[in-house]
Amino acid sequence: EVQLAESGGDLVQPGGSLRLSCAASGFIFSSYWMIWFRQAPGKGLEWVANIKEDGSEKNYVDSVRGRFTISRDNAKNSLYLQMNSLRPEDTAVYYCAGGAWVDYWGQGALVTVSS
Amino acid sequence: QAVVTQEPSLTVSPGGTVTLTCGSSTGAVTSGHYPYWFQQKPGQAPRTLIYLASNKHSWTPARFSGSLLGGKAALTLSGAQPEDEADYYCLLFYSGVWVFGGGTKLTVL
Repeated sequence: EVQLAESGGDLVQPGGSLRLSCAASGFIFSSYWMIWFRQAPGKGLEWVANIKEDGSEKNYVDSVRGRFTISRDNAKNSLYLQMNSLRPEDTAVYYCAGGAWVDYWGQGALVTVSS
Repeated sequence: QAVVTQEPSLTVSPGGTVTLTCGSSTGAVTSGHYPYWFQQKPGQAPRTLIYLASNKHSWTPARFSGSLLGGKAALTLSGAQPEDEADYYCLLFYSGVWVFGGGTKLTVL
């Protein structure tokens, strides 16, 4: 059974940092691009970042470029999102997703940025 | 950044047919935008219904179909069921970045 499990969501103050993790199982993690999406409370979906199979290519939405870093560890079947200089507008449920055609989604991790 | 547009809300009768569309501020939506469609029910993570405009996953109900129609991506639901009531999002690719539409809230009533 395929599973994507996010962890690391928390309440953090503006300007703070947080690292999200996504543990993958049940599919060949190292063969696929992986993606982070997010959804602010009551709002629509937003693509945040993606990373190539071997980590050699990364792309970011403009609003997080320079603050967030996507990475992966294929030996651990894990995806990460390092979030720095967090802002209240980063408050959202963060989903990891991947597979050949975005086949798989995690259940999400809530990040709240508030003082 | 490109803006992707969807109908904010649509209503369909049980057993009826409805088409949701996905437009781009940059012009016609083409296969080069790799259109995706996602379904999200309240309190749940999204799930992918359609990729590359018209391809279905194994879990995509047969009553859903995707196409390129009149310069837009389209998701057609034929024979709507109560369980199809959900938010639907399209996603388009623009030279290394992905942009979602604002979503369509579909009511089956």
